[in-house]
Amino acid sequence: DTAVSQTPKYLVTQMGNDKSIKCEQNLGHDTMYWYKQDSKKFLKIMFSYNNKELIINETVPNRFSPKSPDKAHLNLHINSLELGDSAVYFCASSQETGHGGRSPLHFGNGTRLTVT
Amino acid sequence: AQSVTQLGSHVSVSEGALVLLRCNYSSSVPPYLFWYVQYPNQGLQLLLKYTSAATLVKGINGFEAEFKKSETSFHLTKPSAHMSDAAEYFCALNTGFQKLVFGTGTRLLVSP
Repeated sequence: DTAVSQTPKYLVTQMGNDKSIKCEQNLGHDTMYWYKQDSKKFLKIMFSYNNKELIINETVPNRFSPKSPDKAHLNLHINSLELGDSAVYFCASSQETGHGGRSPLHFGNGTRLTVT
Repeated sequence: AQSVTQLGSHVSVSEGALVLLRCNYSSSVPPYLFWYVQYPNQGLQLLLKYTSAATLVKGINGFEAEFKKSETSFHLTKPSAHMSDAAEYFCALNTGFQKLVFGTGTRLLVSP
């Protein structure tokens, strides 16, 4: 049973297109995240949702819009894709309420986005 | 600012040798520290975590890490490397605001 699953695994698209990545967790966690991993393997948080409420919104272009229909799902929609958006996007979840920070993150296997 | 520094983007060891991956942190509040491992084409998997209990933390696959406040370090060790340990290892810091700050990663290479 996959704990955090994201689809698609690979996404190849042209500049200017709009695409979405879906994420679902079956761990019953309250908090979900999107992280971006660049070509040098550097990981940076993009967004965090707690019980469908946006908690963290890092300096990310407005073209990126997360949506959380319920606490088990956090999707990422990207408008007007650019070459620089090429990266691996990871969804994650944790059982975190408040601002504890003790709970580890559980990651999905990533979506490799290639913009041509 | 909260930050994590991993010394060495690549570490090479022979099978059976000691593994030592270095991590230093900077935090203005008591930190929660984590080590994650990433195998090729996979997500990150938790190896171990420090959350202010015991300073020597044991994790999965024979790894352990020691929190040293005086040195602001949280180095990862394993007494004897296996070929299956070859992967990317990330140290991460959480200052309690639901935001993990990751180091730049260390690729562990294990030769026969």
